[in-house]
Amino acid sequence: QSVLTQPPSVSAAPGQKVTISCSGSSSNIGNNYVSWYQQLPGTAPKLLIYENNNRPSGIPDRFSGSKSGTSATLGITGLQTGDEADYYCGTWDNSLATGVFGGGTKLTVL
Amino acid sequence: EVQLVESGEGLVQPGGSLRLSCAASGFTFSSYTMHWVRQPPGKGLEYVSAISSNGGSTFYADSVKGRFTISRDNSKNTLYLQMGSLRAEDMAVYYCARVRGYCTGGGCYYDYWGQGALVTVSS
Repeated sequence: QSVLTQPPSVSAAPGQKVTISCSGSSSNIGNNYVSWYQQLPGTAPKLLIYENNNRPSGIPDRFSGSKSGTSATLGITGLQTGDEADYYCGTWDNSLATGVFGGGTKLTVL
Repeated sequence: EVQLVESGEGLVQPGGSLRLSCAASGFTFSSYTMHWVRQPPGKGLEYVSAISSNGGSTFYADSVKGRFTISRDNSKNTLYLQMGSLRAEDMAVYYCARVRGYCTGGGCYYDYWGQGALVTVSS
């Protein structure tokens, strides 16, 4: 059981938009920055979004992040088949004093 | 180019020990906090352990506390994870990751990850 809650799967057609939610509490998302990671099949996770809504260099602006209260959202526009992957949200939990992740969301581009 | 390369993966019997290494290059290793994160087969990511840039502070998930030891050798640009009393539930791909930000001061994130090292616990 993950500390952060994500939907197990989402799907959309190529070219469409999708959002992935990440729900937590005041001890984690409510008081800390959120990051998002993309994990393509058989590879290591890759940073997509940091500090709620910032993209590292090289990440296209089709990817965006937002946070409100104890929830965060990853948005992906102009979906491509290459976006099919597992997506994880992560943050720090002040009560647990550990890093915490969501259970992951599998994106299918139909 | 930043690179993190894990080694030491393998098969170990329940109750056994294994040491993972993570060789860092392309950045000033001694300036960064480092974490280990694991991923059981077919499952999600799980924080395992953290070490400060000078090695003076270490932290562990409750699930590994007392059994795993994180350490680093800044002269060799290498991070270690000594794992003992291994259990079936420790079987996972273990990633080392470079940390940015301040975990206890607003949150942190992982900007670079290694390729992962598979630890199999089985008799």
